[in-house]
Amino acid sequence: AAGVIQSPRHLIKEKRETATLKCYPIPRHDTVYWYQQGPGQDPQFLISFYEKMQSDKGSIPDRFSAQQFSDYHSELNMSSLELGDSALYFCASSWGSGGADYEQYFGPGTRLTVT
Amino acid sequence: DAKTTQPPSMDCAEGRAANLPCNHSTISGNEYVYWYRQIHSQGPQYIIHGLKNNETNEMASLIITEDRKSSTLILPHATLRDTAVYYCIVRVANTGNQFYFGTGTSLTVIP
Repeated sequence: AAGVIQSPRHLIKEKRETATLKCYPIPRHDTVYWYQQGPGQDPQFLISFYEKMQSDKGSIPDRFSAQQFSDYHSELNMSSLELGDSALYFCASSWGSGGADYEQYFGPGTRLTVT
Repeated sequence: DAKTTQPPSMDCAEGRAANLPCNHSTISGNEYVYWYRQIHSQGPQYIIHGLKNNETNEMASLIITEDRKSSTLILPHATLRDTAVYYCIVRVANTGNQFYFGTGTSLTVIP
């Protein structure tokens, strides 16, 4: 079965540079979530989109922005990178059905290293 | 979303049942209990979820107490590949709602 695809899998950037992470949800999934997991930490929610509209917002820095496109893929844009942004970034997708219970399926993650 | 409390670590002998407890004493009536696991640095993997009835699938069983203040995830025959961090999460099942990951339980299956 098709899974969530994230690209790139690994990314190395320098401080103050920008980075763009991409997420391709499971086919027919219309909801995308972004999580950040620092070294030795638990995943922290950043932001989510349902039907191309932002649906929930967590601890996403102002330097980060994200959007969901018409084909439901999503991009997380990160500017003015800091050393503390080094982390695993997970994307998850689900089929949103307005109130019914459902699970999120996670991608393999993008490992961002800021030097 | 309600907070959860899990033991930080547990061991289980290979082939035995692994019983992972979770306390969620402030859970609301419309919040579901979800279990995920994360093997090393892979993406979290969905295991099972439920509202108030016990649930079973090919991976595990979920036992929720009648007052819904706690639950237990049961892996019936643990294997070495079940070694992972297990997260118990409670959340309202509305579209786009995030998961709050707590600290989880690090399960080690011992040969």
